[in-house]
Amino acid sequence: GDSVTQMEGPVTLSEEAFLTINCTYTATGYPSLFWYVQYPGEGLQLLLKATKADDKGSNKGFEATYRKETTSFHLEKGSVQVSDSAVYFCALSKAGGTSYGKLTFGQGTILTVHP
Amino acid sequence: GAVVSQHPSRVICKSGTSVKIECRSLDFQATTMFWYRQFPKQSLMLMATSNEGSKATYEQGVEKDKFLINHASLTLSTLTVTSAHPEDSSFYICSARDPGAGGKETQYFGPGTRLLVL
Repeated sequence: GDSVTQMEGPVTLSEEAFLTINCTYTATGYPSLFWYVQYPGEGLQLLLKATKADDKGSNKGFEATYRKETTSFHLEKGSVQVSDSAVYFCALSKAGGTSYGKLTFGQGTILTVHP
Repeated sequence: GAVVSQHPSRVICKSGTSVKIECRSLDFQATTMFWYRQFPKQSLMLMATSNEGSKATYEQGVEKDKFLINHASLTLSTLTVTSAHPEDSSFYICSARDPGAGGKETQYFGPGTRLLVL
């Protein structure tokens, strides 16, 4: 079946440091890929997405590129802020048929940014 | 942006009782909603897909008689945990699919419901 694997956390960084959270996936066909963020005490929010190979999703300074050849969708940010502290989830979704809209999540990566 | 609400946000109940959790899409019609379960420090696991006007589709290993889902309208889905036991204690999260315009489908998540069964 489909699966998503994220780098294990927690990740602790100083403010303005560079962030990478690795994500790889296993799926048949051509899934859409997502990064969701969960701030403390809140629900999941879509951070960015990419729907086909070589697409780059970006939002709030975060970026991720859909790499079909390496089945990866790594999340990056050039300079993190304390307010970026949250749990980040990589996910995939298959379009069409009974799988449409169902999300398969990675295990989540806790990010803590210190001043 | 679109908002999905859940009620209650937190519930504590005695073992053997049933608990109902509501999921509402507040400014769009959702023919499809999803129910997830999240254990501490773990990922979200899809439990079932809730379809308006038809039976829910359950994932493998999820007991449909234990977790009753009703999608009575285009803006409301309910999850009832029947005869709850301590092992059902978890964080339950719903999401609602907004088909959007021009094929720009988006899924919006509720804030979650923390269930503690004593």
